[in-house]
Amino acid sequence: DIQMTQSPSTLSASVGDRVTITCRASQSITTWLAWYQQKPGKAPKLLIYKASSLESGVPSRFSGSGSGTEFTLTVSSLQPDDFATYYCQQYNGYPLTFGGGTKVEI
Amino acid sequence: QLQLQESGSGLVKPSQTLALTCAVSGDSITSGGHSWSWIRQPPGKGLEWIGYMYPSGSTYYTPSLRGRVTISVDKSKNQVSLKLTSVTAADTAVYYCARNAVTGNWFDPWGQGALVTVSS
Repeated sequence: DIQMTQSPSTLSASVGDRVTITCRASQSITTWLAWYQQKPGKAPKLLIYKASSLESGVPSRFSGSGSGTEFTLTVSSLQPDDFATYYCQQYNGYPLTFGGGTKVEI
Repeated sequence: QLQLQESGSGLVKPSQTLALTCAVSGDSITSGGHSWSWIRQPPGKGLEWIGYMYPSGSTYYTPSLRGRVTISVDKSKNQVSLKLTSVTAADTAVYYCARNAVTGNWFDPWGQGALVTVSS
């Protein structure tokens, strides 16, 4: 299985901050990576696919980058609605696997 | 607008079978070449992909659950189903259905999720 490791597991930030979350894969996944946002009691929501492609309707303050084994999700200016847990997911190989999550809190 | 809605037994006894259904509305499950996945999330923990199925019948199940899990599709009802046998407390989770993208196996959209508790 391809292991996905996210860091940090928890991130404390303020409104307006630039925030970066890292996701590392145990082997190269080229750019076959997605990012999701999950709020308490809700299903995950797709933000980014193919490492850097922004899903339609997702604010442009979200961006993704990386290839191979190291990826980042950046929020350029954190908004109140962005406090949530973020997950990366690889789809280069089976089984499909997720990172452990990064909780962004105030 | 495509919508997915999970339903099924919320409480299952140990050793019994968990059964959930995902009703798809807004589009046919056979259109576009998509596969359909089940993903679960134990309370307070991360996400685990269970497996997927194409309406054509091909499936893939995660190795840790292979042998206990079955995903099926009912084209006439536009539904995707999940069965998990011989459940234990470790199978307690919120279970989500989701559509896989055609050009890559990311998930969008997701259902709202169904909590299944395994307890006697």
